[in-house]
Amino acid sequence: EAGVAQSPRYKIIEKRQSVAFWCNPISGHATLYWYQQILGQGPKLLIQFQNNGVVDDSQLPKDRFSAERLKGVDSTLKIQPAKLEDSAVYLCASSNRVQETQYFGPGTRLLVL
Amino acid sequence: AQSVAQPEDQVNVAEGNPLTVKCTYSVSGNPYLFWYVQYPNRGLQFLLKYITGDNLVKGSYGFEAEFNKSQTSFHLKKPSALVSDSALYFCAVRDDTNAGKSTFGDGTTLTVKP
Repeated sequence: EAGVAQSPRYKIIEKRQSVAFWCNPISGHATLYWYQQILGQGPKLLIQFQNNGVVDDSQLPKDRFSAERLKGVDSTLKIQPAKLEDSAVYLCASSNRVQETQYFGPGTRLLVL
Repeated sequence: AQSVAQPEDQVNVAEGNPLTVKCTYSVSGNPYLFWYVQYPNRGLQFLLKYITGDNLVKGSYGFEAEFNKSQTSFHLKKPSALVSDSALYFCAVRDDTNAGKSTFGDGTTLTVKP
């Protein structure tokens, strides 16, 4: 069974630029999560999808961050414009059901200069 | 609001000795508890979980954890540590009344010395 795929693995941009991350969850997993992990901290949930509907986006900075999940499968997370404090690892995870174990992708490491 | 505390940033043990990584939590409803491990430049890997049932949960790589409802704790343990266990460990909690939103602790770095 293939795991959660993410791309790119690394991205360096300048502040005020835009960036997009892509995630392909494990086949058949209805729930998809995006987390932000700042160095030295645990992952923080940004947004959670159930199929293509948003379940929780309470911690998503909506003035600059957006996310969508096309047809309930792949998802993209966008930052526009980026700030220095957005430098972090962005993790995507999926689970079969909300109650079940989350499986994580390798993450995208973003550096904003 | 739900929360997770991992009181130790760093745990050092000698190879062959038992190890414990501590975790306490706070939730409104019934907790679902998880431990994940993260190796450098890798995503989080699932170790074990408590949903319901026996308080002692066994997981991958010889790890186990004990759910203690009265102390709201879910400490990770292993009887005999290996150098290869050295990694960053995260405890996470979900509340069964909160649409499955997960909250993670800030992690504990485990170093096992030969």
